[in-house]
Amino acid sequence: DAGVIQSPRHEVTEMGQEVTLRCKPISGHNSLFWYRQTMMRGLELLIYFNNNVPIDDSGMPEDRFSAKMPNASFSTLKIQPSEPRDSAVYFCASSPGLAGDNEQFFGPGTRLTVL
Amino acid sequence: AQSVSQHNHHVILSEAASLELGCNYSYGGTVNLFWYVQYPGQHLQLLLKYFSGDPLVKGIKGFEAEFIKSKFSFNLRKPSVQWSDTAEYFCAVIQYTGRRALTFGSGTRLQVQP
Repeated sequence: DAGVIQSPRHEVTEMGQEVTLRCKPISGHNSLFWYRQTMMRGLELLIYFNNNVPIDDSGMPEDRFSAKMPNASFSTLKIQPSEPRDSAVYFCASSPGLAGDNEQFFGPGTRLTVL
Repeated sequence: AQSVSQHNHHVILSEAASLELGCNYSYGGTVNLFWYVQYPGQHLQLLLKYFSGDPLVKGIKGFEAEFIKSKFSFNLRKPSVQWSDTAEYFCAVIQYTGRRALTFGSGTRLQVQP
């Protein structure tokens, strides 16, 4: 199994541009999570999906952030417009079953830099 | 709101020293508990987890953790650390009911000197 796949691994963009991060969960996992990691705030859960349905998006910082999961094997996290304070590492994770019932498997992350 | 506290932000040890990293959480109900590790430049990996049963949990690479319900704690231990244990360690908690979202502690950076 290839594990959780994220792309791109690194993204450098200018303030105001749209950024789209992509995630492919492990096949058969029906929960998917997006996290953000910064030095100041640590690891924060942004949103999680179960069976492609957003269950909890209370961690999404503002309307500039949106996430979709059109099918069981793909999810996107979009920031529009991006701002320098969005610079962080964004992790996607997946797990079988409901959130917290099982181990979450993390992807390698996307390091986003907004200039 | 649920919170997770890791009081040791940066720990420096020599090889063969014993390790204990503290983790306390605030939720009073049933919880599932995890320790994750992030080696330099890598993604998070599960070290161990506690759902129920024996409160002393053994994980990979010689790590163990003890769940003490009365103290709301889930401390991570290793009797003898190695240089390869240099990493950042995260405690995480999830409530069994309600908002079933994993809450992470701020992390402890462990540096093991040869």
